[in-house]
Amino acid sequence: EIVLTQSPATLSLSPGERATLSCRASQSVSSYLAWYQQKPGQAPRLLIYDASNRATGIPARFSGSGSGTDFTLTIGSLEPEDFAIYYCQHRTNWPPITFGQGTRLEIK
Amino acid sequence: EVQLVESGGGLIQPGGSLRLSCAASGFTVSSNYLGWVRQTPGQGLEWVSVIYSDDSTYDADFVKGRFTISRDNSKNTLYLQMNSLRAEDTAVYYCARRAAYTSNWGLYFDLWGRGTLVTVSS
Repeated sequence: EIVLTQSPATLSLSPGERATLSCRASQSVSSYLAWYQQKPGQAPRLLIYDASNRATGIPARFSGSGSGTDFTLTIGSLEPEDFAIYYCQHRTNWPPITFGQGTRLEIK
Repeated sequence: EVQLVESGGGLIQPGGSLRLSCAASGFTVSSNYLGWVRQTPGQGLEWVSVIYSDDSTYDADFVKGRFTISRDNSKNTLYLQMNSLRAEDTAVYYCARRAAYTSNWGLYFDLWGRGTLVTVSS
């Protein structure tokens, strides 16, 4: 079973700064990786799919990169509404879906 | 409006059964991949079950033999039948729809319900 490890666990930044979140897979997942944002009391929201494609309606400040085992979610200039928890998720044969443990992005 | 609305959660004793429902509107469940994802209080996301458009189903190892995913196309509704419930099944259960615009192999969820809380406790 492939394990996704996200780092850091918590990231403290100020609005306007650039955020870089990491997701590392224990084995290659090719480019089958997504990123979600979750705010308290809300369902997750799909941000990035297939490693680098923005989902419908997602602002351009969100970008994804990587392939194989190392992936990055970058938020170009943090807006106040971006402070949330971010999860990566991969798609493989079995189990078909696995999530990382999340990175909390908090206001510094 | 395109949405998913879960219902059926609540307090249940260990060993009991519960059926969650997820009513879809604005699209047809029969032609989509749909899944259940849960989130334990204060914790991360955990995939539970998925049903594909060809009716094949897959369940996480920790629910095999206890939970069953199904759908009723006439009611445009997804279900999760949960039997032999354990304390560790306590979580918010979300239903979600696969993003159809991704790669053929991609299985990512672009539409989520608001979730329904299941609490397993005596």
